[in-house]
This record gives sequence, structure tokens and C-alpha cells, in this order.
Amino acid sequence: AQSVTQPDIHITVSEGASLELRCNYSYGATPYLFWYVQSPGQGLQLLLKYFSGDTLVQGIKGFEAEFKRSQSSFNLRKPSVHWSDAAEYFCAALNTGFQKLVFGTGTRLLVSP
Amino acid sequence: DAGVTQSPTHLIKTRGQQVTLRCSPISGHKSVSWYQQVLGQGPQFIFQYYEKEERGRGNFPDRFSARQFPNYSSELNVNALLLGDSALYLCASSFGQRTLIEQFFGPGTRLTVL
Repeated sequence: AQSVTQPDIHITVSEGASLELRCNYSYGATPYLFWYVQSPGQGLQLLLKYFSGDTLVQGIKGFEAEFKRSQSSFNLRKPSVHWSDAAEYFCAALNTGFQKLVFGTGTRLLVSP
Repeated sequence: DAGVTQSPTHLIKTRGQQVTLRCSPISGHKSVSWYQQVLGQGPQFIFQYYEKEERGRGNFPDRFSARQFPNYSSELNVNALLLGDSALYLCASSFGQRTLIEQFFGPGTRLTVL
């Protein structure tokens, strides 16, 4: 079955420190991959997406993600976290038939002073 | 430009009742998708509508139904509400049927079933 796994439920990072959120997918063929962010009371905002080509993808708000086919992973990174980055982050995958967007269970990011 | 709008923002219902949630897509977008996000989980795909026709359906019971109007707005209906239907219901719009890659999400409707 197609699935997306985010193994970390919560992560706490000090402000200014680097961040990496993990995401693994299980699909027959490489799907389209996304990272979304959800702040309290807000809808989902797309941070970045990967379709093909360069495996390092740049997104908004200083985020980037690296696609690793050998590890079926699409981890999100940011070199220096700001307090405003505290939110819930969702990895998602879309099969190549464009039929269904599948989300992971999310990782809640807490930023400490 | 206005983004995706949803109404109402919050809703409280009791078990067995019926509820209708509304979504207005971004102007020019012809596809609307609905998602259910239970607390602590990621969104689960319910429906996709394009040009007023259902184009995709997730693993939800027949109590869930939806429709899309000529102006591309959409309604999600849930009958015979269960406690487990309590969730944030998200609507997303995109330009075409095959453009789930460019979905824009609304703020959601928080449904509480007592």
C-alpha cells in the first residue's frame, strides 16, 4: 500500500540551530513529494515539492529538502530555525496518476529560546 | 486575490445529525478536493471534484457525499454523524483535474460531534 511515514511526532530545536525532519515513502514508483506546514488555526501551506531532476529542492521560508531514492526518503532541512517556524509539518506524496495525495502523520516542531 | 474560503469556521453537532460544509475555491480554479484531518493525524483524502463531477474518492463511508456547483464552489455533506467524525475538514482548490500538485488549502472547518 502507498504510504508516507514521519517517524518523529515531536521535535524540539533551539532557535538558531539547524533542523532536519524525516520523511519516508513507500510507493511502487517514485511519487511526487511535498512538504506542507500548518500553523495553529491555519490551513496547509506548501513549502516545497519534488517531481524529478535535482534531488536538492529549495522552498519558501529558507527550507530545503533532499530526495534520496536509495533510502526512499525526502527529508526537510533548515540551517537556522526561527521561533516563527514552530508549527506542524507534513510530508505528502502524490502518485503519478495524480489520483490521491497521501499525507504522513506530521511532526510538531517546537522552538526553544 | 482571495484564497480558498470555507464556512463555517466552527460547528458543533450531536450524534445522528447531518452537517453541510462549504468551500469556495480560488477564482479560476475548477477542481476542489476535501480532506478530513483528525486530531493528531495527517489529512485524509475524501473527494475530488472537477467540472462538477466526482473524479476521486477516498476510503470513506457513503455517509459522506459532496457536490460541486456551476461556480465551482463545493459542499461536503455528512449524514448520521458519529463521534469519530469530529475533525478539521479541509478544502483545497486547484486549476485542473490533474493538478493536485498545485493545491491551495483553505483554513478548514472544525467539526465537533457530541
